[in-house]
Amino acid sequence: EPEVTQTPSHQVTQMGQEVILRCVPISNHLYFYWYRQILGQKVEFLVSFYNNEISEKSEIFDDQFSVERPDGSNFTLKIRSTKLEDSAMYFCASSSTGGDTEAFFGQGTRLTVV
Amino acid sequence: AQRVTQPEKLLSVFKGAPVELKCNYSYSGSPELFWYVQYSRQRLQLLLRHISRESIKGFTADLNKGETSFHLKKPFAQEEDSAMYYCALKLSSGNTPLVFGKGTRLSVIA
Repeated sequence: EPEVTQTPSHQVTQMGQEVILRCVPISNHLYFYWYRQILGQKVEFLVSFYNNEISEKSEIFDDQFSVERPDGSNFTLKIRSTKLEDSAMYFCASSSTGGDTEAFFGQGTRLTVV
Repeated sequence: AQRVTQPEKLLSVFKGAPVELKCNYSYSGSPELFWYVQYSRQRLQLLLRHISRESIKGFTADLNKGETSFHLKKPFAQEEDSAMYYCALKLSSGNTPLVFGKGTRLSVIA
């Protein structure tokens, strides 16, 4: 069964460093998302991406964040200068259409900023 | 703004007992409601959605627009139902993101 793959599973970085979280969505999917979950809190939407551009972003997704689909398979989330409060589980998701179809989630990348 | 409320962080029930995981939402339009489940060390996966009106793994959920609720129910809990359950809302159709509740951890005791 096809699935969304995220790498790495755990990333530790120093405050102020740049990190890139990688995702390989399901191959025929067109809509891509990043969510995050700070420990003990709810899953929060960051950004959605369709047709090579951001279609929606939340207040969390400020200038420190960017997304890219550098080739036909990867979908990356970059945090330019990490802060302690960026420590969270980051989930990538994809769906075949943007409507009521199911969003498939990756297993997540745990980012720890020290 | 849209909001999803799951009032219980943890729900413990005995095996064979009925389960009800509560979910209330606030949204003035016609939302689409979902339940996602996350088993231990596994990824978030869709359990069911209100538009399909189906029963998955014995779970059902009915959208009550009057009470703005979408509670998840199962008549007889099984140990393998132990997991985190997230209620989520989507704004009608189109490429809109999911808005999640904080989740409820269901623990089924043998």
